[in-house]
Amino acid sequence: AQKITQTQPGMFVQEKEAVTLDCTYDTSDPSYGLFWYKQPSSGEMIFLIYQGSYDQQNATEGRYSLNFQKARKSANLVISASQLGDSAMYFCAMRGPYLRWPGYALNFGKGTSLLVTP
Amino acid sequence: EAQVTQNPRYLITVTGKKLTVTCSQNMNHEYMSWYRQDPGLGLRQIYYSMNVEVTDKGDVPEGYKVSRKEKRNFPLILESPSPNQTSLYFCASSSDEKLFFGSGTQLSVL
Repeated sequence: AQKITQTQPGMFVQEKEAVTLDCTYDTSDPSYGLFWYKQPSSGEMIFLIYQGSYDQQNATEGRYSLNFQKARKSANLVISASQLGDSAMYFCAMRGPYLRWPGYALNFGKGTSLLVTP
Repeated sequence: EAQVTQNPRYLITVTGKKLTVTCSQNMNHEYMSWYRQDPGLGLRQIYYSMNVEVTDKGDVPEGYKVSRKEKRNFPLILESPSPNQTSLYFCASSSDEKLFFGSGTQLSVL
């Protein structure tokens, strides 16, 4: 069974500092995708970044980067230069190959609550 | 702007009163799905659709119906809502590996 683990229930970071949110996963499928989503207090799920298992380079999207270590099965999110608006829940998720993954559903971790302080 | 639009954003109803949550995407995606999010249980898939007229059950389909008559729309129907369906609901769509969510519908069934 595929599993996503986020071991940090909550984290604090000071504004303008960088922060790393941990995510490890477990799958026997060689083809999969890894996602990070942000959920602010307003409730919406905001897509941040995606990494495919065969992508050679780590994904980056603005201040977000994904530190993908395939052998260790980790996909940590790095937020550079934190801003007050980054305070939110962050979810790591995994999905298998199209048409071979039941429901093509995302498996989510339990999330990390990030608080950015002035 | 590419987006997944859900309505309503908030809904309070009573047990047994049929309701529909609408979902529409403007990205011409084939795949659409519905999730519910509950404290301690995370996000769980309710139903999904791989294309028009092709739908299938996810992990928690009991008490829900869906339809996919057009590519852009994927409504979620609760024929007889019950209090245990009080939850935050998300519609999502994708055409490749990336999945985009709507803004969510907070449903309370009294």
